[in-house]
Amino acid sequence: GESVGLHLPTLSVQEGDNSIINCAYSNSASDYFIWYKQESGKGPQFIIDIRSNMDKRQGQRVTVLLNKTVKHLSLQIAATQPGDSAVYFCAENNGSGYNFNKFYFGSGTKLNVKP
Amino acid sequence: DTAVSQTPKYLVTQMGNDKSIKCEQNLGHDTMYWYKQDSKKFLKIMFSYNNKELIINETVPNRFSPKSPDKAHLNLHINSLELGDSAVYFCASSQDRLAGGPEDTQYFGPGTRLTVL
Repeated sequence: GESVGLHLPTLSVQEGDNSIINCAYSNSASDYFIWYKQESGKGPQFIIDIRSNMDKRQGQRVTVLLNKTVKHLSLQIAATQPGDSAVYFCAENNGSGYNFNKFYFGSGTKLNVKP
Repeated sequence: DTAVSQTPKYLVTQMGNDKSIKCEQNLGHDTMYWYKQDSKKFLKIMFSYNNKELIINETVPNRFSPKSPDKAHLNLHINSLELGDSAVYFCASSQDRLAGGPEDTQYFGPGTRLTVL
């Protein structure tokens, strides 16, 4: 279950609508980005990734957009389903030196899908 | 088949006790991690091991001691537990980042919810 006092940004959408979840990252040297989905009581799961030499990547029902100019990442979910309800995190990595495996996670957005 | 597994799933203990959380991955990955997720869902890296060697140690109190007996296991031992240690701890693993490689993502375990009373 959820903790008392949780203050995650929350996005509520109707089933079947498209969802857009946004993420601002801080390090202009970051060259690799991942979106994760975390369902209640589970660990984060990989959804889609993108490298800095791209500005768009599509998966199944998901699209990630990268705007390096303003250091912004978004995740678009088409035809949102109740099973998409979860907390979504973006993570960034700059792949340099000893930080090549170090990912910084954003604060997360909770997606509520209303049937 | 579970890729990254952790035990126990729940751990409730008194302040001042010492406890361990175990993690195993069967993905053949070279790198393993421990993350702490607080009550606001903020996920922060604590440690990273690559082929049994510590490569990331993020200003974590030295009451926390990771141990990697082999590259498939990374255990977390916590001494003198404090109330603020209550959180969900996630283990993860990944291959080393490769230039252009498709397998750079981290795979997370199910988490261990630690409650310190």
